[in-house]
Amino acid sequence: QKEVEQDPGPLSVPEGAIVSLNCTYSNSAFQYFMWYRQYSRKGPELLMYTYSSGNKEDGRFTAQVDKSSKYISLFIRDSQPSDSATYLCAMIASYDKVIFGPGTSLSVIP
Amino acid sequence: DGGITQSPKYLFRKEGQNVTLSCEQNLNHDAMYWYRQDPGQGLRLIYYSQIVNDFQKGDIAEGYSVSREKKESFPLTVTSAQKNPTAFYLCASSTGRADTQYFGPGTRLTVL
Repeated sequence: QKEVEQDPGPLSVPEGAIVSLNCTYSNSAFQYFMWYRQYSRKGPELLMYTYSSGNKEDGRFTAQVDKSSKYISLFIRDSQPSDSATYLCAMIASYDKVIFGPGTSLSVIP
Repeated sequence: DGGITQSPKYLFRKEGQNVTLSCEQNLNHDAMYWYRQDPGQGLRLIYYSQIVNDFQKGDIAEGYSVSREKKESFPLTVTSAQKNPTAFYLCASSTGRADTQYFGPGTRLTVL
């Protein structure tokens, strides 16, 4: 079993839809959780960072962490064509390395 | 502006040649990383360095070499021993090993 699993997609939604992107993990030591957005042929950029269970909101983006279920989510409200990208989750255990998920490809259709 | 730069953006190599990819950061980060990304695949760690003059192999180090002579710089050499080098290469840096990583724009290497 991989440490971090993520549905690769591709996920295709109409403009304005609410998007839910998810990652599951097996290591209960993970404490810090991140979401990166990667446009085609570009480097990943940090989108959201959280270190506790619960929700964190930033504009149209909400990151949700459920440590009891070992499950994290990224919600995108009012999705736009400019949100079309690959979304990578990443996790860190204290004093350990960062583990990246394989990424979910998202297309928002106008 | 603080950030990470990679050069060149595109690189073409003939089989049997070594090539060196550049990575520079001005974020004053101690740790630096090299990843390889193939189409439809996640990030695979090639090498990382937590401090100047020290580096460790990642998951797919064979056919690659690195140096860390300066804090700001972490060049990656793709040697002729790397059997399938065509890929997108990403450099990243962080404050420490277990901290958020920030990525450069990437270098796309194509072997002709």
